[in-house]
Amino acid sequence: EVQLVQSGAEVKRPGESLKISCKASGYGFTGYWIGWVRQMPGQGLQWMGLVYPDDSQTKYNPSFQGQVTISADKSIKTAYLQWNSLRASDTAIYYCARLSGYFTQGVYFGFWGQGTLVTVAS
Amino acid sequence: SYDLTQAPSVSVSPGQTASITCSGDRLGDKYAYWYQQKPGQSPVLVTYENTKRPSGIPERFSASNSGNTATLTISETQPMDEADYYCQAWDSNTVVFGGGTKLTVL
Repeated sequence: EVQLVQSGAEVKRPGESLKISCKASGYGFTGYWIGWVRQMPGQGLQWMGLVYPDDSQTKYNPSFQGQVTISADKSIKTAYLQWNSLRASDTAIYYCARLSGYFTQGVYFGFWGQGTLVTVAS
Repeated sequence: SYDLTQAPSVSVSPGQTASITCSGDRLGDKYAYWYQQKPGQSPVLVTYENTKRPSGIPERFSASNSGNTATLTISETQPMDEADYYCQAWDSNTVVFGGGTKLTVL
Protein backbone atom coordinates (compact mmCIF):
# COMPACT_ATOMS: atom_id res chain seq x y z
CA GLU A 1 0.00 0.00 0.00
CA VAL A 2 1.37 3.38 -1.02
CA GLN A 3 1.65 5.70 1.95
CA LEU A 4 2.97 9.23 2.34
CA VAL A 5 3.25 10.26 5.97
CA GLN A 6 3.99 13.89 6.65
CA SER A 7 5.50 15.54 9.69
CA GLY A 8 3.31 17.23 12.25
CA ALA A 9 1.87 20.71 12.50
CA GLU A 10 4.26 23.60 13.06
CA VAL A 11 3.88 27.03 14.63
CA LYS A 12 6.63 29.46 13.73
CA ARG A 13 7.43 33.14 13.94
CA PRO A 14 8.13 35.31 10.88
CA GLY A 15 11.77 35.08 9.84
CA GLU A 16 12.29 31.60 11.24
CA SER A 17 13.35 28.62 9.14
CA LEU A 18 11.46 25.39 8.73
CA LYS A 19 11.82 22.00 7.06
CA ILE A 20 8.84 19.66 6.82
CA SER A 21 8.99 16.07 5.66
CA CYS A 22 7.11 13.42 3.75
CA LYS A 23 8.07 9.79 4.33
CA ALA A 24 7.11 7.30 1.63
CA SER A 25 6.44 3.60 1.89
CA GLY A 26 4.82 0.85 -0.10
CA TYR A 27 6.50 1.55 -3.46
CA GLY A 28 9.87 2.17 -5.09
CA PHE A 29 10.64 5.65 -3.76
CA THR A 30 13.35 6.46 -6.29
CA GLY A 31 11.14 5.74 -9.27
CA TYR A 32 8.53 8.45 -8.83
CA TRP A 33 8.60 12.23 -8.61
CA ILE A 34 7.20 13.71 -5.39
CA GLY A 35 5.39 17.02 -5.48
CA TRP A 36 4.40 19.65 -2.93
CA VAL A 37 1.07 21.47 -3.03
CA ARG A 38 0.03 24.47 -0.94
CA GLN A 39 -3.47 25.17 0.27
CA MET A 40 -3.90 28.49 2.00
CA PRO A 41 -6.81 28.86 4.44
CA GLY A 42 -10.10 28.56 2.61
CA GLN A 43 -8.36 28.56 -0.76
CA GLY A 44 -7.59 26.17 -3.60
CA LEU A 45 -4.61 24.03 -4.49
CA GLN A 46 -1.33 25.52 -5.72
CA TRP A 47 1.47 23.41 -7.10
CA MET A 48 4.86 24.38 -5.67
CA GLY A 49 7.34 21.98 -7.20
CA LEU A 50 8.63 18.46 -7.72
CA VAL A 51 11.64 16.40 -6.76
CA TYR A 52 12.92 13.17 -8.28
CA PRO A 53 14.41 11.21 -5.35
CA ASP A 54 16.76 9.11 -7.44
CA ASP A 55 18.96 12.05 -8.46
CA SER A 56 17.36 14.97 -6.56
CA GLN A 57 16.39 16.71 -9.79
CA THR A 58 13.82 19.41 -9.15
CA LYS A 59 11.17 21.37 -11.03
CA TYR A 60 9.62 24.48 -9.49
CA ASN A 61 6.54 26.53 -10.11
CA PRO A 62 8.04 29.93 -11.04
CA SER A 63 5.85 31.49 -8.36
CA PHE A 64 7.70 29.51 -5.68
CA GLN A 65 11.20 29.42 -7.18
CA GLY A 66 13.62 30.95 -4.72
CA GLN A 67 11.01 31.02 -1.95
CA VAL A 68 11.31 27.37 -0.94
CA THR A 69 13.68 24.46 -1.41
CA ILE A 70 12.48 20.97 -2.28
CA SER A 71 14.75 18.03 -1.68
CA ALA A 72 14.79 14.30 -0.99
CA ASP A 73 16.89 11.73 0.85
CA LYS A 74 16.50 8.42 -0.89
CA SER A 75 18.31 6.53 1.87
CA ILE A 76 15.39 7.18 4.21
CA LYS A 77 12.65 7.52 1.54
CA THR A 78 11.80 11.04 2.58
CA ALA A 79 11.07 14.24 0.70
CA TYR A 80 11.37 17.71 2.20
CA LEU A 81 10.03 21.21 1.81
CA GLN A 82 12.13 23.95 3.35
CA TRP A 83 11.94 27.67 4.06
CA ASN A 84 14.85 29.87 5.14
CA SER A 85 12.72 32.78 6.30
CA LEU A 86 9.03 32.30 6.86
CA ARG A 87 6.38 34.96 6.37
CA ALA A 88 2.86 35.17 7.70
CA SER A 89 1.64 34.54 4.15
CA ASP A 90 3.24 31.07 4.28
CA THR A 91 0.48 29.99 6.67
CA ALA A 92 -1.15 27.08 4.91
CA ILE A 93 -1.57 23.34 4.70
CA TYR A 94 1.18 21.72 2.66
CA TYR A 95 0.60 18.39 0.97
CA CYS A 96 3.11 16.06 -0.54
CA ALA A 97 1.89 13.79 -3.31
CA ARG A 98 3.30 11.12 -5.59
CA LEU A 99 3.38 12.00 -9.26
CA SER A 100 2.17 9.64 -11.98
CA GLY A 101 2.01 9.91 -15.75
CA TYR A 102 4.55 11.18 -18.25
CA PHE A 103 5.85 14.70 -18.74
CA THR A 104 5.38 14.30 -22.49
CA GLN A 105 1.66 13.61 -22.06
CA GLY A 106 0.49 14.79 -18.68
CA VAL A 107 1.18 14.19 -15.02
CA TYR A 108 -1.01 14.03 -11.97
CA PHE A 109 -0.97 13.19 -8.28
CA GLY A 110 -2.27 9.72 -7.55
CA PHE A 111 -1.43 9.51 -3.86
CA TRP A 112 -1.40 12.28 -1.27
CA GLY A 113 -0.02 12.73 2.20
CA GLN A 114 -2.23 13.81 5.06
CA GLY A 115 -0.99 17.40 4.96
CA THR A 116 1.11 19.52 7.31
CA LEU A 117 -0.38 22.69 8.76
CA VAL A 118 2.18 25.47 9.02
CA THR A 119 1.17 28.54 11.01
CA VAL A 120 3.39 31.60 10.92
CA ALA A 121 2.46 34.29 13.40
CA SER A 122 4.18 36.75 15.65
CA SER B 1 0.79 31.10 -17.72
CA TYR B 2 -1.97 28.60 -18.33
CA ASP B 3 -5.27 29.08 -16.51
CA LEU B 4 -8.07 26.67 -15.69
CA THR B 5 -11.43 28.19 -14.79
CA GLN B 6 -14.11 26.54 -12.69
CA ALA B 7 -17.42 27.82 -11.38
CA PRO B 8 -17.16 28.46 -7.62
CA SER B 9 -20.20 26.40 -6.76
CA VAL B 10 -22.67 23.88 -8.11
CA SER B 11 -25.79 22.53 -6.40
CA VAL B 12 -27.54 19.25 -7.09
CA SER B 13 -30.38 17.28 -5.52
CA PRO B 14 -29.66 13.79 -4.20
CA GLY B 15 -30.06 11.19 -6.91
CA GLN B 16 -29.65 13.72 -9.71
CA THR B 17 -26.68 14.22 -12.04
CA ALA B 18 -24.07 16.86 -11.25
CA SER B 19 -21.84 18.35 -13.91
CA ILE B 20 -18.73 20.31 -12.99
CA THR B 21 -16.84 22.02 -15.76
CA CYS B 22 -13.27 23.26 -16.20
CA SER B 23 -12.27 25.62 -18.99
CA GLY B 24 -8.86 26.27 -20.46
CA ASP B 25 -7.38 27.21 -23.80
CA ARG B 26 -7.38 24.07 -25.96
CA LEU B 27 -7.74 21.97 -22.83
CA GLY B 28 -8.98 19.12 -25.00
CA ASP B 29 -5.47 18.81 -26.44
CA LYS B 30 -4.17 17.91 -23.00
CA TYR B 31 -5.06 15.34 -20.39
CA ALA B 32 -7.41 16.57 -17.68
CA TYR B 33 -7.55 15.23 -14.16
CA TRP B 34 -10.07 15.66 -11.34
CA TYR B 35 -9.67 15.59 -7.57
CA GLN B 36 -12.22 15.48 -4.78
CA GLN B 37 -11.48 17.13 -1.46
CA LYS B 38 -13.79 16.81 1.51
CA PRO B 39 -13.49 19.19 4.48
CA GLY B 40 -10.45 18.47 6.58
CA GLN B 41 -9.17 15.77 4.22
CA SER B 42 -6.49 15.47 1.58
CA PRO B 43 -7.45 15.59 -2.10
CA VAL B 44 -8.31 12.29 -3.76
CA LEU B 45 -7.86 11.58 -7.46
CA VAL B 46 -11.23 10.66 -8.96
CA THR B 47 -10.44 10.64 -12.69
CA TYR B 48 -7.25 10.76 -14.73
CA GLU B 49 -6.20 10.95 -18.38
CA ASN B 50 -9.56 12.51 -19.28
CA THR B 51 -11.82 9.52 -18.69
CA LYS B 52 -10.17 6.90 -16.48
CA ARG B 53 -11.13 6.10 -12.90
CA PRO B 54 -8.63 4.90 -10.29
CA SER B 55 -9.51 1.71 -8.49
CA GLY B 56 -11.94 2.32 -5.66
CA ILE B 57 -13.65 5.30 -7.28
CA PRO B 58 -17.37 4.60 -7.83
CA GLU B 59 -18.64 4.19 -11.37
CA ARG B 60 -20.99 7.13 -10.90
CA PHE B 61 -17.94 9.37 -11.40
CA SER B 62 -17.13 9.93 -15.07
CA ALA B 63 -15.32 12.59 -17.04
CA SER B 64 -14.76 13.91 -20.54
CA ASN B 65 -12.53 16.48 -22.20
CA SER B 66 -13.01 18.17 -25.55
CA GLY B 67 -12.38 21.55 -27.09
CA ASN B 68 -11.79 24.03 -24.28
CA THR B 69 -13.78 22.22 -21.60
CA ALA B 70 -13.33 19.24 -19.34
CA THR B 71 -16.36 17.95 -17.48
CA LEU B 72 -16.71 15.81 -14.38
CA THR B 73 -20.09 14.11 -14.17
CA ILE B 74 -21.46 12.53 -11.05
CA SER B 75 -24.50 10.35 -11.67
CA GLU B 76 -27.00 9.56 -8.95
CA THR B 77 -25.28 12.04 -6.68
CA GLN B 78 -25.16 11.09 -3.03
CA PRO B 79 -24.80 13.31 0.05
CA MET B 80 -21.31 11.84 0.52
CA ASP B 81 -20.28 13.43 -2.79
CA GLU B 82 -20.54 16.89 -1.28
CA ALA B 83 -17.00 18.25 -1.55
CA ASP B 84 -14.69 20.59 -3.40
CA TYR B 85 -13.64 19.41 -6.84
CA TYR B 86 -10.49 20.54 -8.61
CA CYS B 87 -9.47 20.02 -12.20
CA GLN B 88 -5.80 19.84 -13.14
CA ALA B 89 -3.68 19.84 -16.27
CA TRP B 90 0.00 19.83 -17.20
CA ASP B 91 1.23 22.71 -19.32
CA SER B 92 4.70 24.04 -20.09
CA ASN B 93 6.34 22.01 -17.35
CA THR B 94 3.80 23.24 -14.82
CA VAL B 95 1.08 21.50 -12.85
CA VAL B 96 -1.97 23.74 -13.11
CA PHE B 97 -5.03 23.46 -10.87
CA GLY B 98 -8.40 25.04 -11.42
CA GLY B 99 -9.77 27.23 -8.66
CA GLY B 100 -12.13 24.52 -7.44
CA THR B 101 -15.89 24.01 -7.41
CA LYS B 102 -17.85 23.44 -4.24
CA LEU B 103 -20.52 20.81 -4.87
CA THR B 104 -23.50 21.09 -2.57
CA VAL B 105 -25.96 18.20 -2.42
CA LEU B 106 -29.30 19.39 -1.11
